[in-house]
Parts: sequence; C-alpha cells; structure tokens
Amino acid sequence: QQQVKQSPQSLIVQKGGISIINCAYENTAFDYFPWYQQFPGKGPALLIAIRPDVSEKKEGRFTISFNKSAKQFSLHIMDSQPGDSATYFCAATGSRLTFGEGTQLTVNP
Amino acid sequence: NAGVMQNPRHLVRRRGQEARLRCSPMKGHSHVYWYRQLPEEGLKFMVYLQKENIIDESGMPKERFSAEFPKEGPSILRIQQVVRGDSAAYFCASSPIAGSYNEQFFGPGTRLTVL
Repeated sequence: QQQVKQSPQSLIVQKGGISIINCAYENTAFDYFPWYQQFPGKGPALLIAIRPDVSEKKEGRFTISFNKSAKQFSLHIMDSQPGDSATYFCAATGSRLTFGEGTQLTVNP
Repeated sequence: NAGVMQNPRHLVRRRGQEARLRCSPMKGHSHVYWYRQLPEEGLKFMVYLQKENIIDESGMPKERFSAEFPKEGPSILRIQQVVRGDSAAYFCASSPIAGSYNEQFFGPGTRLTVL
C-alpha cells in the first residue's frame, strides 16, 4: 500500500518533443506528490510538486496532471531539451516520502 | 548558504568492516532523513531523525544498521559488519520542519562499495 509505481523505465525523446512519465499509487493517505530530477552522481532535486486538491500544475515547460479518482499522476515535459536528460522520480508523501522506481530520460539533439 | 553536505562521497570497505556515513543538514534544518538507492532503483526510505531523537526507523534493517543525530555535529548512519549487498548510494535529506508539504533537500550522496 506504500508503493508508487512509475513507468516507463526508460524514455527516449527527440529534441522539441513531449516527454510523458506516469505514476500510480494506492495509499489514499498520500497528500503531496513531488517530482524529483536526478543527474548522474548527484542527489535528487525537487522539480515540481502538486497537492491532490489540484488537477494540474504548470511551471515553465513542466506540468503535473493529477487524477485523484484514478490515483494516477503524470509529468509532462514540453519542448524537451538535451539538458533535460536525467532520471526522474515521482514520489508521494504522507508520513514519509515514497519514491517510484525512476525513469531514465534521454533527449536526443 | 551551503546545501546538505555528505561525506565521504565515496567509501570502499571490505566485508566485515564498519562504514560511517556523515550528513550535515542545511543551516536551520533540524529534520534529517536517510535513503538508500540501489543501482537502477528508486530511493528507499531508511530513517527519519530530529536532533537527539529517532522519529521513524521503519525502513532501516533491524541488524547492523544504526543512525543518530546528536545535539552537536552531523547525523551519522553506521553500518556494522558490511556485506556486499550493502553496496549502494546513501542519500541524506533535510527539511526545516516536519510535514508532508515541506521540501526535503538532498545531499550529493555517499557511494558505498563493499569488496
């Protein structure tokens, strides 16, 4: 019940394309859903986050879509750039932070 | 304003030795969290500490692992009698206050290799 399932495991997108990463959860006690970006050899850094009372949040090229009834949320990266190449983790928190398995995104020039 | 600091960045130990990982939270942060990341996997929660108190250690193995966050000095994650399966990246995060909506700031991690 504490799991967060993330897909796909890896994603290759052309420069300028849209990257979409999906996550699903089971625990309805989760009340905050952040996305983290991690570059090789670095720690995760918060990218964008959403609360369950909001269906969408946009910050620049990054958008979170949230479907509370389906217990699913997704990250959309518009106009993907080679510099976006990294591993992305969705997460959910109630009493503690639970991470998805991660998606390795590669944006080809 | 320095971020979360972890040292060492890389640590090599032989089976049976002890590993000590240190974490200095961001200034003003009194909540520290430790996570473990195995290759090609997400981060797994291990333990949550406040100054001088362990709040939640439900993710930490019952044997060989311990953590502390003393009144003075960094938080320490200690692994006794390391085994090859302990090889992983260990990340520390800190936050200024507790609660779901508060961002956890992560350090660069300590990569532990057990030979």
